[in-house]
Amino acid sequence: KAGVTQTPRYLIKTRGQQVTLSCSPISGHRSVSWYQQTPGQGLQFLFEYFSETQRNKGNFPGRFSGRQFSNSRSEMNVSTLELGDSALYLCASSVGGRGYTFGSGTRLTVV
Amino acid sequence: GIQVEQSPPDLILQEGANSTLRCNFSDSVNNLQWFHQNPWGQLINLFYIPSGTKQNGRLSATTVATERYSLLYISSSQTTDSGVYFCAVGGPSSNTGKLIFGQGTTLQVKP
Repeated sequence: KAGVTQTPRYLIKTRGQQVTLSCSPISGHRSVSWYQQTPGQGLQFLFEYFSETQRNKGNFPGRFSGRQFSNSRSEMNVSTLELGDSALYLCASSVGGRGYTFGSGTRLTVV
Repeated sequence: GIQVEQSPPDLILQEGANSTLRCNFSDSVNNLQWFHQNPWGQLINLFYIPSGTKQNGRLSATTVATERYSLLYISSSQTTDSGVYFCAVGGPSSNTGKLIFGQGTTLQVKP
């Protein structure tokens, strides 16, 4: 079966711009979680969506937002980009939170 | 919140050697998973193991929930085992979808 697909793989944006990242979960998985990975802070939880509802949220500013569609695909948006938003953004899907499958990630560079 | 500590932070092995990675956590958990991140950034789920012992080929894991630690054993290591190993937990009152990651153990296996 197809894995978790994240697009795009790489992205370069300028400070102040906004960006949208996409995640398609494994078919049948209704939970989609987003994580940010940086060398300094490691892997940090952003938010989780389940059946189009945000079920959990990490400690990130309101510039970080997301949504989930009826087909379980999810998008996350970062507005007013800052240099510190440069990171690897990872999406994971799961059934009941037991075994997480991660996508290959989107590497965002803010210049 | 729950604190997750992994040790050692770095490990260098000769091919064929065995190793044990440790994960300590500060509170009761209802979810514990081990992941391997390869050099391309892909996070691979190794085990979902909130308690007990599991084995998968050369890898095995044990979680002693009452003592708040988990161990990942790698036997007969291969160069392809190189990468970063993460332990991630979900707290007893958290919804599924939010995992707290340790800082990881970076493993280098030399031929």
